[in-house]
Amino acid sequence: DVKVTQSSRYLVKRTGEKVFLECVQDMDHENMFWYRQDPGLGLRLIYFSYDVKMKEKGDIPEGYSVSREKKERFSLILESASTNQTSMYLCASRTGTGANIQYFGAGTRLSVL
Amino acid sequence: GENVEQHPSTLSVQEGDSAVIKCTYSDSASNYFPWYKQELGKRPQLIIDIRSNVGEKKDQRIAVTLNKTAKHFSLHITETQPEDSAVYFCAASKGSGYSTLTFGKGTMLLVSP
Repeated sequence: DVKVTQSSRYLVKRTGEKVFLECVQDMDHENMFWYRQDPGLGLRLIYFSYDVKMKEKGDIPEGYSVSREKKERFSLILESASTNQTSMYLCASRTGTGANIQYFGAGTRLSVL
Repeated sequence: GENVEQHPSTLSVQEGDSAVIKCTYSDSASNYFPWYKQELGKRPQLIIDIRSNVGEKKDQRIAVTLNKTAKHFSLHITETQPEDSAVYFCAASKGSGYSTLTFGKGTMLLVSP
């Protein structure tokens, strides 16, 4: 069974803080993704990574950065958190070959006050 | 880039009725169309997918149809049960090893006993 683990289920931060969201997968997947989920807006892609040290912007990268130093770990960074970044953040991974089946983590609900 | 429209945004049915959720996509190069189900408080999980070389796929009470010419695909759930209540997301991608998924905004399905 594929396991994608996000380090926190709930997080409360202050405006201007630097925030790290961590994601770890145990299936040796090449590709990893960060999404943001907001009511009525579905899942929007923030950043993704094809391999270690590689990163690509998704549809809404502004205000975010990512880090992938090891294959199993993909971090989302909010350099200076703002209230409009209050949201549910979902990490996903998939193998780099075959069907584009993504496996999701349980999500981190971030509140920025 | 790809754009996926999903309708309706909410759908209420009685137990035992059928439910249909429809999606349209814009990029004619898309060739892989998965559906994800997200129960309340849980992570999205793949329930069925279809590739562009087939017109229909069925798995017990759920089926997906694809019309490449019209660029739309639909999820059909028959004999709905309360445990089918969830948010359903359609998605589209080009299906290659480096492709991303573009998601629709989601449909909240409520099945009343």
